[in-house]
Amino acid sequence: DSGVTQTPKHLITATGQRVTLRCSPRSGDLSVYWYQQSLDQGLQFLIQYYNGEERAKGNILERFSAQQFPDLHSELNLSSLELGDSALYFCASSARDRGEQYFGPGTRLTVT
Amino acid sequence: GENVEQHPSTLSVQEGDSAVIKCTYSDSASNYFPWYKQELGKGPQLIIDIRSNVGEKKDQRIAVTLNKTAKHFSLHITETQPEDSAVYFCAASTQGKTSYDKVIFGPGTSLSVIP
Repeated sequence: DSGVTQTPKHLITATGQRVTLRCSPRSGDLSVYWYQQSLDQGLQFLIQYYNGEERAKGNILERFSAQQFPDLHSELNLSSLELGDSALYFCASSARDRGEQYFGPGTRLTVT
Repeated sequence: GENVEQHPSTLSVQEGDSAVIKCTYSDSASNYFPWYKQELGKGPQLIIDIRSNVGEKKDQRIAVTLNKTAKHFSLHITETQPEDSAVYFCAASTQGKTSYDKVIFGPGTSLSVIP
């Protein structure tokens, strides 16, 4: 158990809808990272937050957004969902703005 | 852009044999190379990492080697056990070179250890 928690575990929704994925980092970790894992794209870095502020952006679509709250938990918002957004979404955390990343169990999103 | 290649994509070994997974990276600024193990239905788990100022690192049955000149790094698992069966990801990162860690993952290797 990495100490990173994610909810929900599974999510099924329809195209065009909006969902919110939640992540709580390991106790004491200040950074949260979001990744998308699909069969054809592998693990893709989406975005990083450090102590409440956006630190780095990867291959994140404009339909997606994230934030990190004062208690350091983070939410990833996915809107106008498309079939291709179906994937596993992982959150990871690290102690500082860089360093070893510890992954949560993921949220499996299915868009029908 | 930056890229990490990983080979083989699938690997089957007999229990007790060794397994080797190789990765190459393109960004010469990369200086941190973690390896992750992902079991079915779980998130990637950091199993070992190596920094660019070290050529080899070992932790029990797992070892990682790094050749900075050739931009190669490898994971070696000795005395494999069925519980080693999983997907393994290598990654390359530029820690400290920019204001954030840019981590690029390899496509993964599915390792099967046959009892």
